[in-house]
Amino acid sequence: NAGVMQNPRHLVRRRGQEARLRCSPMKGHSHVYWYRQLPEEGLKFMVYLQKENIIDESGMPKERFSAEFPKEGPSILRIQQVVRGDSAAYFCASSPRSGGSETQYFGPGTRLLVL
Amino acid sequence: DQQVKQNSPSLSVQEGRISILNCDYTNSMFDYFLWYKKYPAEGPTFLISISSIKDKNEDGRFTVFLNKSAKHLSLHIVPSQPGDSAVYFCAASQMSGGGADGLTFGKGTHLIIQP
Repeated sequence: NAGVMQNPRHLVRRRGQEARLRCSPMKGHSHVYWYRQLPEEGLKFMVYLQKENIIDESGMPKERFSAEFPKEGPSILRIQQVVRGDSAAYFCASSPRSGGSETQYFGPGTRLLVL
Repeated sequence: DQQVKQNSPSLSVQEGRISILNCDYTNSMFDYFLWYKKYPAEGPTFLISISSIKDKNEDGRFTVFLNKSAKHLSLHIVPSQPGDSAVYFCAASQMSGGGADGLTFGKGTHLIIQP
């Protein structure tokens, strides 16, 4: 019974390159959330998606960041033209239904380092 | 503006004793609260939750107490075990969702269980 899968676990990029982070939700879960954790900080909500729909992207930076959750395949968080400040751990979570009382289950995270 | 606050960055407790982790929130719209445990280089693991219609929820060694009037919740772990050493995050959401289903996290408390 696989949990939330994220890959890669570690990603190193040079400034100006693109970073693609992938997330496969738990089996039976159709709701995906992305969070970012900066050093010494808590997790900050970025975006909430259902299959083929972005439901809430209120936490996503307006530029360079995008997310998708296609009908087939994993959810992708894409960061274009990365800068050093993008270095962080990015966590994906999934839940079976929407709603604030649904427990979100987290993946192991992708640690992005921008040189 | 930190809507969920964990004012103790770290807490040291002797094995076998009770660990009490505290969390305060400022947003009166929050009505669902969760505790997550996180080991280094892993994603957060769900521990226990409570809705605002309750003031206590218990699961084995873990009990969460909610004081709505004080906007305060606490996690009690008894007896504390060495494997409990981790960072504990308090998180909050609105059960109604309203489209914004992301969790709001505190910065975490690093619990250290001493033998």
